[in-house]
Amino acid sequence: DAKTTQPPSMDCAEGRAANLPCNHSTISGNEYVYWYRQIHSQGPQYIIHGLKNNETNEMASLIITEDRKSSTLILPHATLRDTAVYYCIVRVVNAGNMLTFGGGTRLMVKP
Amino acid sequence: DTEVTQTPKHLVMGMTNKKSLKCEQHMGHRAMYWYKQKAKKPPELMFVYSYEKLSINESVPSRFSPECPNSSLLNLHLHALQPEDSALYLCASSPTGITNTEAFFGQGTRLTVV
Repeated sequence: DAKTTQPPSMDCAEGRAANLPCNHSTISGNEYVYWYRQIHSQGPQYIIHGLKNNETNEMASLIITEDRKSSTLILPHATLRDTAVYYCIVRVVNAGNMLTFGGGTRLMVKP
Repeated sequence: DTEVTQTPKHLVMGMTNKKSLKCEQHMGHRAMYWYKQKAKKPPELMFVYSYEKLSINESVPSRFSPECPNSSLLNLHLHALQPEDSALYLCASSPTGITNTEAFFGQGTRLTVV
């Protein structure tokens, strides 16, 4: 699986959009971009995934650059409950569903 | 039901004890996983079971012994652990044959070895 690079930490004001970047410059054509988050002392939670098109669900939006070398997870209106570690993971489609976690970004949403 | 249930939530054990962690899911998933997470670190894959058979062992010491007695249950048997094995142990499950899908995680068992 391709390696990802994320900033170790970010702050965001409550009610504002949180934009979390991820670099995956070595991504190959059969790798998806997945985002999970882990709230303190809980198990990781799936957020969203995509291949090359932008994706949106009830939790977030995923913007993938045209060359697929980077992506941004957008939480449109961050709340205090969004404080968590956010993991960007790239995964080969045919390699099973196990996940290899990188360092992640610790997002702190502040009032 | 989209839950993965892990028991116990907390466990303290001595280095000579034998204990087991349990994981249960009723989503019909035929792939199940054990991860280990040390404080302030990302989860690390330990084992993968596919159709109740061990498919991946990430060079985990033999004092950790996984078992998948049926398609809904996953156990992790612990014996002669060391204090450095203290960590959060996470179980996850996912469908097989459909690789473009999410994994569901339990809340973990926080293990302390004394």
